[in-house]
Amino acid sequence: AQSVTQPDIHITVSEGASLELRCNYSYGATPYLFWYVQSPGQGLQLLLKYFSGDTLVQGIKGFEAEFKRSQSSFNLRKPSVHWSDAAEYFCAVGLAGGFKTIFGAGTRLFVKA
Amino acid sequence: NAGVTQTPKFQVLKTGQSMTLQCAQDMNHNSMYWYRQDPGMGLRLIYYSASEGTTDKGEVPNGYNVSRLNKREFSLRLESAAPSQTSVYFCASNGGGHDTEAFFGQGTRLTVV
Repeated sequence: AQSVTQPDIHITVSEGASLELRCNYSYGATPYLFWYVQSPGQGLQLLLKYFSGDTLVQGIKGFEAEFKRSQSSFNLRKPSVHWSDAAEYFCAVGLAGGFKTIFGAGTRLFVKA
Repeated sequence: NAGVTQTPKFQVLKTGQSMTLQCAQDMNHNSMYWYRQDPGMGLRLIYYSASEGTTDKGEVPNGYNVSRLNKREFSLRLESAAPSQTSVYFCASNGGGHDTEAFFGQGTRLTVV
């Protein structure tokens, strides 16, 4: 069955430090992959997406993600975290041929000064 | 530019009461979705409407009904609320299918007592 796993429920990083949020998926075909961010009390906003082509994709707010087919992973990275990046991050997989998107459980990012 | 608008933002219901969550989008999107978000479980799809005039069950449809009133509006109804339906509900829309960015409303926090 299709699934998305975000192994880390929460992560704490210092402001200015680098960040990597992990995402693994299980899906038989080529996936459509997304990262969304949710600020407290808000809906989700798309950070970036991967459909095909270059496996390193750039998103908004300085985020990037790399698709690794051999590892079934789509990890999100940022070289230098800002306090405003504190939020919950969701990895998602769009299922081909339909309208369903599967979301991971989310990783909550805390940023310490 | 309103995007996706949900009402109400907060609601407390007694067990057995009914209510309708309203959602409207002004982006001329074909597809609309209702998700529920519970701690540690990410977002789970309740129902979706691929296009005006069609609705389909998602992952967790039991206890809910939906109506795609027109292209703009997609409502979610709880006929007899249960404590297990305490959750945050999000409406989303996109151009159609799994491969396009979804735009989310700000959510409705529902508590059933």
